Amino acid sequence: NAGVTQTPKFQVLKTGQSMTLQCAQDMNHNSMYWYRQDPGMGLRLIYYSASEGTTDKGEVPNGYNVSRLNKREFSLRLESAAPSQTSVYFCACRGIETDTQYFGPGTRLTVL
Amino acid sequence: AQSVAQPEDQVNVAEGNPLTVKCTYSVSGNPYLFWYVQYPNRGLQFLLKYITGDNLVKGSYGFEAEFNKSQTSFHLKKPSALVSDSALYFCAVRDKGGGGYNKLIFGAGTRLAVHP
Repeated sequence: NAGVTQTPKFQVLKTGQSMTLQCAQDMNHNSMYWYRQDPGMGLRLIYYSASEGTTDKGEVPNGYNVSRLNKREFSLRLESAAPSQTSVYFCACRGIETDTQYFGPGTRLTVL
Repeated sequence: AQSVAQPEDQVNVAEGNPLTVKCTYSVSGNPYLFWYVQYPNRGLQFLLKYITGDNLVKGSYGFEAEFNKSQTSFHLKKPSALVSDSALYFCAVRDKGGGGYNKLIFGAGTRLAVHP
C-alpha cells in the first residue's frame, strides 16, 4: 500500500498562474484534509472533506478551491497563484474509526 | 477555541541523554492529544496519541508522552536520545466538529537536535 501520495513533489509558478495539487489515498478512509506548512506556524488547515461529495473550509481557505473527486482523491486548486501561497502543502486522510491522520510526503510550491 | 502551545523552538540534547519536548494545551472538554514527527523533506508521521486511560502513553521509536490534566500538558519524552531522533516534532489537539469533521490543531513545532 502506498498510503497517501501527492503530485507533484515540487512546483514553481509565476504570480497569476494556476495549478492543481493532486492527492490520492489507498487506505479506504473517508475524511481527507489539505494543510499548508509555513516556518514557525505549524500546519494550518485549508480545506477538508468528511466524505465523498462534501467539502468544508478550514482555517485558511482564501485563494484555494478543492474537489473531492471520489473516495480516493482530493485535489487542491490555486486559480491565481500569489507569492503568499509559497509553502509546503500536505494532504492527509483519516478513517471513521480512528482519530489518527496519515500524511502524504508534501508538495513544495514556490510562487515567484 | 482549542489550541496547543510548544514553548520551545528548539531543543538540544546529547546522544544518550533523556529528552523532553514540551506541549501545553487549551481545550473544552476532554482532550484528544497527538504527537507527530517530521523528518527532513518528509510528511508528518504519527508517533502516539492520548484519548483516555493511562496518563503515560507509549508510542513509536521508543517515545512516550505524559498527560497531566492539572498542568494541561502533554510532554513528549524518550529515556535515551539518538542522533536519528533529530527532527521537527508537532503536538496537536483534536477539534471535533459536527458530522465527524475531526480536525487537528497543530502547535508551531519544536526542532529537536541530538548531538553525538
